[in-house]
Amino acid sequence: GDSVTQMEGPVTLSEEAFLTINCTYTATGYPSLFWYVQYPGEGLQLLLKATKADDKGSNKGFEATYRKETTSFHLEKGSVQVSDSAVYFCALSFNFGNEKLTFGTGTRLTIIP
Amino acid sequence: DAGVIQSPRHEVTEMGQEVTLRCKPISGHDYLFWYRQTMMRGLELLIYFNNNVPIDDSGMPEDRFSAKMPNASFSTLKIQPSEPRDSAVYFCASSLSGGGIQYFGAGTRLSVL
Repeated sequence: GDSVTQMEGPVTLSEEAFLTINCTYTATGYPSLFWYVQYPGEGLQLLLKATKADDKGSNKGFEATYRKETTSFHLEKGSVQVSDSAVYFCALSFNFGNEKLTFGTGTRLTIIP
Repeated sequence: DAGVIQSPRHEVTEMGQEVTLRCKPISGHDYLFWYRQTMMRGLELLIYFNNNVPIDDSGMPEDRFSAKMPNASFSTLKIQPSEPRDSAVYFCASSLSGGGIQYFGAGTRLSVL
């Protein structure tokens, strides 16, 4: 079946450090790929998405590129802030008839000043 | 739009009691999802509906759990009888078909004593 594997956490970085959270997927066909973020005490919210190979999703300084050849969708940010502390989930879905999201296990990120 | 609205935000109950969680999806969305999140098991999809019809309930842990969607603007998740191992944060999410993006409520934190 379809699955998403993401980097084990927790991850702790200093403010202004470079961030990478790895995500790879296994799927039959070509899914859409997502990064969701969950801030403390809140529900998940969409951070960025990409719907086809070589697409780059970006938002709030975060970026991720859909790499079909490596089945990956790694999340990056050049300079993290304390406010980026949250849990990050990679996910995939096949639209049009199956809206279910398959999530990774989540990566907890803590940024220290 | 007010987003996905869940109630109550917090619920504390005793083992054996019935618990009802409520969700109002975003107007116009045709998919509704119920998730459970715990430290041990992460984020789990319990059940989802399309146009008020249950599509996949394979994630519902046992017969003590039931979910209904009587109309497009309301859904309930009921646990009867509740047990301490049901303690978790329960999220409701909604989406529009073809978009692939799910919008999450703030969650209900359930504690069963």
